Amino acid sequence: NAGVTQTPKFRILKIGQSMTLQCAQDMNHNYMYWYRQDPGMGLKLIYYSVGAGITDKGEVPNGYNVSRSTTEDFPLRLELAAPSQTSVYFCAVHMPPYNEQFFGPGTRLTVL
Amino acid sequence: AQTVTQSQPEMSVQEAETVTLSCTYDTSESDYYLFWYKQPPSRQMILVIRQEAYKQQNATENRFSVNFQKAAKSFSLKISDSQLGDAAMYFCAYRRDTDKLIFGTGTRLQVFP
Repeated sequence: NAGVTQTPKFRILKIGQSMTLQCAQDMNHNYMYWYRQDPGMGLKLIYYSVGAGITDKGEVPNGYNVSRSTTEDFPLRLELAAPSQTSVYFCAVHMPPYNEQFFGPGTRLTVL
Repeated sequence: AQTVTQSQPEMSVQEAETVTLSCTYDTSESDYYLFWYKQPPSRQMILVIRQEAYKQQNATENRFSVNFQKAAKSFSLKISDSQLGDAAMYFCAYRRDTDKLIFGTGTRLQVFP
């Protein structure tokens, strides 16, 4: 996983509950990303960060919040979980010099 | 806006044979990167191969190679000597510099013995 860890691996939430998905990297890279993957689909960007203290919205940010207080951690917060947020969530880190993104193992979230 | 299209939802290949997965993209940029990612049942996203748009030479990684046609905006993946372990979802992705990845919808590859 190239030093990208995600917790938890699985989670079931009830509608309206909140939770934080954790992502951590030990490579000291600035660029980090959160994607979601719905069944049978490719990944879509939720939020990204170009460094500590800097975050920006991606393609599908509604219902989520992020923070980036350190280079290592990039947590994703779900407020008021909805069934439409049932998905697999991936955290990724941009890896120079080849401009690749390396992904964490993912978190499977189900909202019932 | 950039888009990535994979028109083959599923493909199948016999073990040891060759298969080609198609990908087209749309962009007005001249400098960008293209990638193929493999996603096995474990869900882990694994980088298979990358191509820099400024390079004319097609990228190759062992049994995996690409056919990059910049003018046609086409980026196909060829898998030679297919193995059972190649069975997975394959995603084509586009990125400009350190910007976000834009993914296609994927092609499911089945490998038969």
